[in-house]
Amino acid sequence: EVQLVESGGGLVQPGGSLRLSCAASGFTFSTYWMDWVRQAPGKGLEWVANIKQDGSEKYYVDSVKGRFTISRDNAKNSLYLQMNSLRAEDTAVYYCARGLLGAASHWGQGILVTVSS
Amino acid sequence: QSVLTQPPSASGTPGQRVTISCSGSSSNIGGNTVNWYHQLPGTAPKLLIYSNNQRPSGVPDRFSGSKSGTSASLAISGLQSEDESDYYCATWDGSLNVVVFGGGTKLTVL
Repeated sequence: EVQLVESGGGLVQPGGSLRLSCAASGFTFSTYWMDWVRQAPGKGLEWVANIKQDGSEKYYVDSVKGRFTISRDNAKNSLYLQMNSLRAEDTAVYYCARGLLGAASHWGQGILVTVSS
Repeated sequence: QSVLTQPPSASGTPGQRVTISCSGSSSNIGGNTVNWYHQLPGTAPKLLIYSNNQRPSGVPDRFSGSKSGTSASLAISGLQSEDESDYYCATWDGSLNVVVFGGGTKLTVL
């Protein structure tokens, strides 16, 4: 069974940092692009970033460029999102997704990040 | 303001057919395939349609997708109460080098 389990969320002050992790199981992690998608309270889905199978290509939405870094460890079947200089508008549920635009797209259950003083 | 435009809401009665549109441009829908997702309140989105019109295993054939030019559509026939959900379209934008989502459509079964 495919499983994606996010962790590392919580409450952080504006300007602070958090590192989200996504533990993957039930599939060959190293063969898929991986994505982070977020959803602010009561709002729609917003794509954040994605990373190629070998980590050689990474793409980000403009609003997080220079602040967020996506990475992966294929040996540990894990995806990460390092979030720095957090702002109130980064408050959202963050989802890890396998191959968002592919035929085998699968999402984790999500993790809440709250940026507030 | 989303790059892809969806109606914020749609509705129908049980048994009816409803369609949800997703409008984009040549740099996104016009040049790439479209996926559709549905999301029940408080849960993670799930893949409904991929590559414009393909259903993953387990998705009923009441759901169908299509694409023409810079627009895509999701059709749901034989509407059921459990189809009440939020629906999102998504694709790659080759000019922006980002994944773009529609703003989402809340479907109500009357």
